[in-house]
Amino acid sequence: EAGVAQSPRYKIIEKRQSVAFWCNPISGHATLYWYQQILGQGPKLLIQFQNNGVVDDSQLPKDRFSAERLKGVDSTLKIQPAKLEDSAVYLCASSRPGLAGGSEQFFGPGTRLTVL
Amino acid sequence: SQQGEEDPQALSIQEGENATMNCSYKTSINNLQWYRQNSGRGLVHLILIRSNEREKHSGRLRVTLDTSKKSSSLLITASRAADTASYFCATDATNSGYSTLTFGKGTMLLVSP
Repeated sequence: EAGVAQSPRYKIIEKRQSVAFWCNPISGHATLYWYQQILGQGPKLLIQFQNNGVVDDSQLPKDRFSAERLKGVDSTLKIQPAKLEDSAVYLCASSRPGLAGGSEQFFGPGTRLTVL
Repeated sequence: SQQGEEDPQALSIQEGENATMNCSYKTSINNLQWYRQNSGRGLVHLILIRSNEREKHSGRLRVTLDTSKKSSSLLITASRAADTASYFCATDATNSGYSTLTFGKGTMLLVSP
């Protein structure tokens, strides 16, 4: 099966500009996640969708970050305006929901964002 | 905040040796997962162990879980250069049917030929 697709793979912007990332999960995976991974750290969950509803966005900086998942498939994550500390890799993941005891997540290749 | 804390932060071994990484966490969990990340293949799931399990094997991987000590270990036997990567433990504390993971900072493993 095809994996999680993300684009672009790399993006360089100046601070205060806006940027958007796109994710296409594995077909049939109802749960979609966006993570931020700063160099030297583990991924941090930003937002989690179940179909097109938000399950958890407690760590999303809502003053500048937004995300949507229209029709319960593709998702976009936007940053507006960007700050220097937003430089990171943004990872999208998907999983099958509802398995007793939890389920594994499948990750895309990520988008490396550099804010100058 | 990151719940899992891996130990050591970095590990350097020779091919053929075993590598052991540890993970400690703070709250009750539903399951604990280990992931590997390298530049070639991104972040890949290795193994999931549920809170009612104590040990699990997958190929050269062995994972243990001690919920009384809130700790887990990942053992890689007969390591290969291709095992060079960062290894993360991730805890799932939800019981809702949606897995929500909290990752640690990871252990960087270097396997030299």
